[in-house]
Amino acid sequence: DGGITQSPKYLFRKEGQNVTLSCEQNLNHDAMYWYRQDPGQGLRLIYYSQIVNDFQKGDIAEGYSVSREKKESFPLTVTSAQKNPTAFYLCASSITAASSYNEQFFGPGTRLTVL
Amino acid sequence: DQQVKQNSPSLSVQEGRISILNCDYTNSMFDYFLWYKKYPAEGPTFLISISSIKDKNEDGRFTVFLNKSAKHLSLHIVPSQPGDSAVYFCAASVRNYGQNFVFGPGTRLSVLP
Repeated sequence: DGGITQSPKYLFRKEGQNVTLSCEQNLNHDAMYWYRQDPGQGLRLIYYSQIVNDFQKGDIAEGYSVSREKKESFPLTVTSAQKNPTAFYLCASSITAASSYNEQFFGPGTRLTVL
Repeated sequence: DQQVKQNSPSLSVQEGRISILNCDYTNSMFDYFLWYKKYPAEGPTFLISISSIKDKNEDGRFTVFLNKSAKHLSLHIVPSQPGDSAVYFCAASVRNYGQNFVFGPGTRLSVLP
């Protein structure tokens, strides 16, 4: 069964600690994305990766880091430098094809609460 | 500066009636638009899309209309069902620009039985 998995669904951390959110996809998609959703706001892009070993900053990358060592995996680390880390984090993937329109498929999300 | 706006944070509609969700955008380079539906504590699911070469796309109960001159699109759901109650996000992108979408803030639709 193809899809995107994010784990865990709920995550609690103490202030000042780094935490890594997992995102795995078996859709054979080239592109992967991380978004953050806050109440009353749309999805804001944190980082994206179009290909393995390459990634780009999105609109709100400060305080976050990513890696893309494998096509199917795109973990997000929320560092202690992120001032307001408590949020709902969504991972997505899409086929990258310059001549095609492709929607993004989303994982179920991870709700991170920093205490 | 929001490039994609959904000015109605919430909308309530009676079951069986039409739901109309609106979305406005400011970037005239956007040429591909999508609607996503999201239930609480879940990821968004793709609903319907439209490219700028069309002004209408229909899929079952869902129809998206695009007015390029007004930089406005709308999603019509008819007839509305209680299971349609969710948050709906409008998203826009520029073709050949890395598939990055800009999302609106969402509209919460409540379909009342």
